[in-house]
Amino acid sequence: DVKVTQSSRYLVKRTGEKVFLECVQDMDHENMFWYRQDPGLGLRLIYFSYDVKMKEKGDIPEGYSVSREKKERFSLILESASTNQTSMYLCASSPGTGAWETQYFGPGTRLLVL
Amino acid sequence: GQNIDQPTEMTATEGAIVQINCTYQTSGFNGLFWYQQHAGEAPTFLSYNVLDGLEEKGRFSSFLSRSKGYSYLLLKELQMKDSASYLCAVRENPSWGKLQFGAGTQVVVTP
Repeated sequence: DVKVTQSSRYLVKRTGEKVFLECVQDMDHENMFWYRQDPGLGLRLIYFSYDVKMKEKGDIPEGYSVSREKKERFSLILESASTNQTSMYLCASSPGTGAWETQYFGPGTRLLVL
Repeated sequence: GQNIDQPTEMTATEGAIVQINCTYQTSGFNGLFWYQQHAGEAPTFLSYNVLDGLEEKGRFSSFLSRSKGYSYLLLKELQMKDSASYLCAVRENPSWGKLQFGAGTQVVVTP
């Protein structure tokens, strides 16, 4: 079974803090993704990576950065957290670039920024 | 870019059938996925369609019409555990594995 794990299920931070969200997958997948999920808006792609040290902006990258130093680990960084970044953050991975290949999701991190 | 529309919420009784529609607009279609997401949990894969027609998998079926930009997910013999959000997601070409998601349809199954 593919396993995608995220470092925290719940996180409370203060405005202006630097926040690190970690994601690890154990299936040697090439691609990794970070989404945020908000009611009525669905999943929106923040950043993705198709190889180690490679990253691409998604639809809403502003206020975020990412790091992929090892194939199995993809980190999302909020440089200076703001209240509008309160959300559910989901990490996902997929094997390669085959059109049929599904994404496998982690359990999510619910972040509250006060 | 893409526009993906699906109803916000649907309610049905146990044992019934529910059909969740998804319409999309895309510049280069490369497949459509359906995911199930229970409250507080990760989305899990249900189905993938890339050719027109119906794909059946037990109680769940998914249909695609590429010319109409339309898909539906059919849930038969509804069970209480089917209460969840159902997400429609489209893959564009070229993809890099990316998906564009609809906002999700909350299905409520009542006794």
